[in-house]
Amino acid sequence: DGGITQSPKYLFRKEGQNVTLSCEQNLNHDAMYWYRQDPGQGLRLIYYSQIVNDFQKGDIAEGYSVSREKKESFPLTVTSAQKNPTAFYLCASTFSVSGNTIYFGEGSWLTVV
Amino acid sequence: GENVEQHPSTLSVQEGDSAVIKCTYSDSASNYFPWYKQELGKGPQLIIDIRSNVGEKKDQRIAVTLNKTAKHFSLHITETQPEDSAVYFCAAPRGKGGGADGLTFGKGTHLIIQP
Repeated sequence: DGGITQSPKYLFRKEGQNVTLSCEQNLNHDAMYWYRQDPGQGLRLIYYSQIVNDFQKGDIAEGYSVSREKKESFPLTVTSAQKNPTAFYLCASTFSVSGNTIYFGEGSWLTVV
Repeated sequence: GENVEQHPSTLSVQEGDSAVIKCTYSDSASNYFPWYKQELGKGPQLIIDIRSNVGEKKDQRIAVTLNKTAKHFSLHITETQPEDSAVYFCAAPRGKGGGADGLTFGKGTHLIIQP
């Protein structure tokens, strides 16, 4: 079954702890993205990667880190430096050609208490 | 970078009526404009997109129009049904890469279909 798999779906963490969200795709897409969504808000880009072993900061990268060691995987770490980490996190991917459809995973809910 | 404004934030229509959601963008070089539908607790799904070489695109009850001069594009849903209730997002390329650098999204429109 092709698609983008995010895990876990729900995650609770204590303040001050780092947490890593997983994103795997089997669509053979080159580019992968992480977005953050807050209630009643649009999606904001955290990080993106167009090829393996390379990634760029998006619009709200502070307090987050990523890696892209494999084409199919793009994990996101929410560090203790992120001041308001509670949010819905969405992973996406596409082929690295202009105007290609960007597909989204089902999202991960992170709650920090 | 690109800035996308979306209106209205909430839209309530009677079942069977039409719904229109409008977006404006700031970068005249933008050339790709997708629309996504998001149901509660799920990831957004592409419902239709338009490229800057056409002014209108239709897919059954859904259509998108693009006015490059005015830098705005709109989503039109006709004969609305209860399953159309969701949050809709417009988007435009974030950089010069036509979307490869990611998309900039509007803040969303909560569409409510009244029975």
